[in-house]
Amino acid sequence: DAKTTQPPSMDCAEGRAANLPCNHSTISGNEYVYWYRQIHSQGPQYIIHGLKNNETNEMASLIITEDRKSSTLILPHATLRDTAVYYCIVREGGYSTLTFGKGTMLLVSP
Amino acid sequence: KAGVTQTPRYLIKTRGQQVTLSCSPISGHRSVSWYQQTPGQGLQFLFEYFSETQRNKGNFPGRFSGRQFSNSRSEMNVSTLELGDSALYLCASSLDLGGYGYTFGSGTRLTVV
Repeated sequence: DAKTTQPPSMDCAEGRAANLPCNHSTISGNEYVYWYRQIHSQGPQYIIHGLKNNETNEMASLIITEDRKSSTLILPHATLRDTAVYYCIVREGGYSTLTFGKGTMLLVSP
Repeated sequence: KAGVTQTPRYLIKTRGQQVTLSCSPISGHRSVSWYQQTPGQGLQFLFEYFSETQRNKGNFPGRFSGRQFSNSRSEMNVSTLELGDSALYLCASSLDLGGYGYTFGSGTRLTVV
């Protein structure tokens, strides 16, 4: 079973920041937080991952709370192409696989 | 550089038949994973291969099998197809086992009739 809880859906206006929350209250010390997204009819796409520090790349920022029980993925300026299902995944470093939950369906509207 | 290539894109098979799906990873990637995606169960892990050896396996019956070749290309096989095997089958590759950034292909859509 997935170790994360995400809202089933969210809306965002184009050009605004999209903040996608994820709860992972049972995360253990050696588990990373990963974010993937899946645009309709495509395979999932890796976005970002982190252990305990905040991370930023060209796609998004990841904010992890100090107790690591929750995190937020931030898309700073959402576009229509960001409409997708976003998956938050907790994964142990090393050889473990990706366990996908139901994710959050983000709808970006004009 | 070329992404993960899965063939065929679409497939229709009859119950009881078997099917083989193919995945060519990104050049230099040595790990290949397979996932099944259905509307009811979502994305579920099937197995992962690295250096031609199965390293992890999900909770699927023995009808689902796979292999990896020396050039890292991978195939998965489903025997005695059932209607419930209709799904999108996704392949993902990574540089190494447990790599942080898996790259997924666009999948093979299998329909069993």
